[in-house]
Amino acid sequence: SAVISQKPSRDICQRGTSLTIQCQVDSQVTMMFWYRQQPGQSLTLIATANQGSEATYESGFVIDKFPISRPNLTFSTLTVSNMSPEDSSIYLCSVPTDYGYTFGSGTRLTVV
Amino acid sequence: KQEVTQIPAALSVPEGENLVLNCSFTDSAIYNLQWFRQDPGKGLTSLLLIQSSQREQTSGRLNASLDKSSGRSTLYIAASQPGDSATYLCAVAGNTPLVFGKGTRLSVIA
Repeated sequence: SAVISQKPSRDICQRGTSLTIQCQVDSQVTMMFWYRQQPGQSLTLIATANQGSEATYESGFVIDKFPISRPNLTFSTLTVSNMSPEDSSIYLCSVPTDYGYTFGSGTRLTVV
Repeated sequence: KQEVTQIPAALSVPEGENLVLNCSFTDSAIYNLQWFRQDPGKGLTSLLLIQSSQREQTSGRLNASLDKSSGRSTLYIAASQPGDSATYLCAVAGNTPLVFGKGTRLSVIA
């Protein structure tokens, strides 16, 4: 099964700034998913990132706020732009494998 | 649109008890169902994956069942331990990426 290295593990950011989260997978994968987990809530899909094409965003999420890069089959970044306290959440990346979905360890973001 | 519901939302049991967590989903056209464990502020650890053609999977003290036609799954934890305290999430995969329930927060009291 794939192993995902996600960083940073946590950060405290000032409102109005941006944070880029990175996920590195130890094998090539076609699709990578980005999720948000707001405090006390379950996971909500932000977007699907395919290598070589634009990311596909779910309803309620837009590219200007959450730009995604997918330069190759093992790496992706999610940027949280112009942050506000409402963006305080855990952000996770995920890839499908033969053994189900594997998740990164998450980035715990606090916006002050 | 697939919706996943988990009952109960929270559960507190004494150490050593056997327990059952429930998960239901509205669209039976799924590829598989996966149970995860999440510790506070952490990522997700996969516990069990059940393919749509399977009825159950076992790993150690954990047993997960799937009744696709009725849209239900259960996670059975035998002889619970304080280290089992965590949030347990059920997620289904179909024509869309994983759809999650809100989870069951389990506390096992020593």
